[in-house]
Amino acid sequence: GQNIDQPTEMTATEGAIVQINCTYQTSGFNGLFWYQQHAGEAPTFLSYNVLDGLEEKGRFSSFLSRSKGYSYLLLKELQMKDSASYLCAVRDNSGNTPLVFGKGTRLSVIA
Amino acid sequence: DAMVIQNPRYQVTQFGKPVTLSCSQTLNHNVMYWYQQKSSQAPKLLFHYYDKDFNNEADTPDNFQSRRPNTSFCFLDIRSPGLGDAAMYLCATGVRGTDYNEQFFGPGTRLTVL
Repeated sequence: GQNIDQPTEMTATEGAIVQINCTYQTSGFNGLFWYQQHAGEAPTFLSYNVLDGLEEKGRFSSFLSRSKGYSYLLLKELQMKDSASYLCAVRDNSGNTPLVFGKGTRLSVIA
Repeated sequence: DAMVIQNPRYQVTQFGKPVTLSCSQTLNHNVMYWYQQKSSQAPKLLFHYYDKDFNNEADTPDNFQSRRPNTSFCFLDIRSPGLGDAAMYLCATGVRGTDYNEQFFGPGTRLTVL
């Protein structure tokens, strides 16, 4: 079966760094995505990893270890607007197969 | 700007009264998806189209149907909504033929069933 695990909630302070972990067990693997979703809004794309290592994009970085079935999203210099849910999603096969989403991690940034 | 549009943003229907949600895209993507997302839960894929080929998820209830009359439009029909069908419905698009298949989401339609 497909299983994607993320912490349900996290709290961090404005200006700090936070790491959101994701572990996955899927029948195959062809890429891992991170999406940001503000309350009542659609998910928006943040990052994509298919090879092991770190992908950096501004304040956001995402890491992947395929052998461990593990990824994390790192957010630096946190801002209040970063308060949102962060969804980890895996494509388990090649081509256009739909993504399998985790339940998301609700991040609260406090002053 | 190229985008995914969903109408309406908020839909209220009565128990058992059929309702249709619409999605349109200007991205010319060949894949369109419908997801159901309940509060604090992951988006759950209902079905997707690759061009006109319809792919239903095994656990999608028969109450949910979809139509894709052309590349740009896709509809979600709920034939007899129940209270448990109240949720956010997300439409997304993607491109088949590449491994990098980012999905672009519309703003969603929040369905309330009275």
